[in-house]
Formats: sequence, C-alpha cells, structure tokens
Amino acid sequence: NAGVMQNPRHLVRRRGQEARLRCSPMKGHSHVYWYRQLPEEGLKFMVYLQKENIIDESGMPKERFSAEFPKEGPSILRIQQVVRGDSAAYFCASSPSFADTQYFGPGTRLTVL
Amino acid sequence: DQQVKQNSPSLSVQEGRISILNCDYTNSMFDYFLWYKKYPAEGPTFLISISSIKDKNEDGRFTVFLNKSAKHLSLHIVPSQPGDSAVYFCAANAGNNRKLIWGLGTSLAVNP
Repeated sequence: NAGVMQNPRHLVRRRGQEARLRCSPMKGHSHVYWYRQLPEEGLKFMVYLQKENIIDESGMPKERFSAEFPKEGPSILRIQQVVRGDSAAYFCASSPSFADTQYFGPGTRLTVL
Repeated sequence: DQQVKQNSPSLSVQEGRISILNCDYTNSMFDYFLWYKKYPAEGPTFLISISSIKDKNEDGRFTVFLNKSAKHLSLHIVPSQPGDSAVYFCAANAGNNRKLIWGLGTSLAVNP
C-alpha cells in the first residue's frame, strides 16, 4: 500500500509566480491535511479537507492561498503570487477517518527566488 | 504562543542506553498526544500516541508517559539505536479539532 504521495518534491518559483502542490492520500483515506514548516520552526497547520469539502482552514493565510480536494484526483494547495516568505516545506497528511492518526507524505520544498 | 514546547533542541545518548525526550503543553483542552520522528528531507513518521485517559502507552522500544497534572509527556526509547537518530516532534490535538499543534522538535543523536 503506497504511502502519501506529494509532487513535486522540489519546486522553484520566482516572486509573483504561482505554485501548485499536489497530494495523493493513502488508498482508502478521504481526509487530507496540509502543514507548513518554515525554516527553523515546527510544523504549522494550514487546512483540513475531506472529499470536496474544506473542513477547517483556520491556518491558511487569508490571501493568495487556496486548497481543494476534488472528488477525483489529488488534493491541491495553490499559492498565487508567491513571495520569498512562502519558501518552506509543505507537508500533506491523510487519514482514513476523522479520528485516525495522520500519516505524512515526504513534503514539497518550495523555494521562491 | 507555543502551546506545545520541547525545551531541549538536541539530545545525545550512547547506543544501548535510554533516550528520554520531553514535551510540555499549556492547553488543558488537549486530549490526544502523538510523537513523530523525522529524518532530513522526509516527512514526519508516526511513532506512538497516547490518549489523555491513559498515563502510559508502550510499543516495542517506545513508551510514552503522560502526566496530565503537570501537562507533561515524555518519550522513552530503550535501548537506543543509531538508526533512531532523527528529529522527534511532539504534537497534540483537542477533541473534535483535528489540527495537530506541534513542538519545535528535539534532535536526537545516538552514538555507536
């Protein structure tokens, strides 16, 4: 059973460009979570989604960031007009149900030049 | 405001000895605690968890202890192995809130 997949593993963008980060949860998992780890910091929650629904987006910046988890396909974290402060590791986790342990993907390392 | 605190940024132990990693929390609403291990350039790997209704949970070489009155938990690894060298994160959540609140991590080095 494949684990949580994230791609790309590394992404370089120039200021003002868009970044799209993809997350395919483990098979049978319908709950997806996105976390961000800034340099020298711990992980910070961004958003929790279930298929086609955003359940909790309390950790998402109000502007430029959006997330979706469509009925078919991976979850997408989209960052518009990236700035240098968006440079971080973005981790996706999934769980089979509401109360279960979250299992993490390898992360996408975003570098904004 | 750091609700989950890991006050030791690093820890070094000898192979075969016990490693004890500590974690303190401030939010009394937290009722579920987890430990994750993380290698460089990889995602966190789940190790062990504990519910607030328990004070101890054991899985092989890993044991987590929870002291609710002190708002403190610890992860014991015994015996420690060189492959245990990684960053260990303590995380917590509260009730129906699924978001995990993370500490800053403790870097463990197990020396052969």
